[in-house]
Amino acid sequence: AQKVTQAQTEISVVEKEDVTLDCVYETRDTTYYLFWYKQPPSGELVFLIRRNSFDEQNEISGRYSWNFQKSTSSFNFTITASQVVDSAVYFCALSERPWGGAQKLVFGQGTRLTINP
Amino acid sequence: GAVVSQHPSWVICKSGTSVKIECRSLDFQATTMFWYRQFPKQSLMLMATSNEGSKATYEQGVEKDKFLINHASLTLSTLTVTSAHPEDSSFYICSARSGIGNEQFFGPGTRLTVL
Repeated sequence: AQKVTQAQTEISVVEKEDVTLDCVYETRDTTYYLFWYKQPPSGELVFLIRRNSFDEQNEISGRYSWNFQKSTSSFNFTITASQVVDSAVYFCALSERPWGGAQKLVFGQGTRLTINP
Repeated sequence: GAVVSQHPSWVICKSGTSVKIECRSLDFQATTMFWYRQFPKQSLMLMATSNEGSKATYEQGVEKDKFLINHASLTLSTLTVTSAHPEDSSFYICSARSGIGNEQFFGPGTRLTVL
């Protein structure tokens, strides 16, 4: 069965520091998608990225970057020069059978990130 | 981008009453909708998957007679919490997937408090 583990329950850093959120996943499928979502205090999930299992290229979007390593089943998320507005709970998620099928999302436990001024 | 709405955004009810939560895809047709539940400081847990015009598929441990799901049209799914109790108090989030792409779009969530 699929599983997503975010070992860091809470992280607290000072503004402008870089911070990396870890995500390790388990799946028996060779075809799957990985996601990161941000959940601010309002509760609404904000989509950050989707990466399919065939694309191991790292991605950078502004201050955000993602490192996907199939060899270690990890999909880590780094925020560079963190800002107070980055404070939120971040979830990593896995979806199997992306083409057809139920495409259920399995979420990690979440990492609560606090950026202090 | 695709928009999914939920109504109400929050609801407080007395124990024993039933509460209906609506999930609508506003600018696309959703062949599949998902209902998640999130307890305070916990992760999202999938409750059920519903396909338009057919019965919902419930995850293990979710009582289908307590959490009634109806997906009568391609833009609307409803979750009814029947005979709600305080332990049902939670944040309920729906998501919708169109038949064309594989994107899953989330609603803003509904916070249910049962007194």
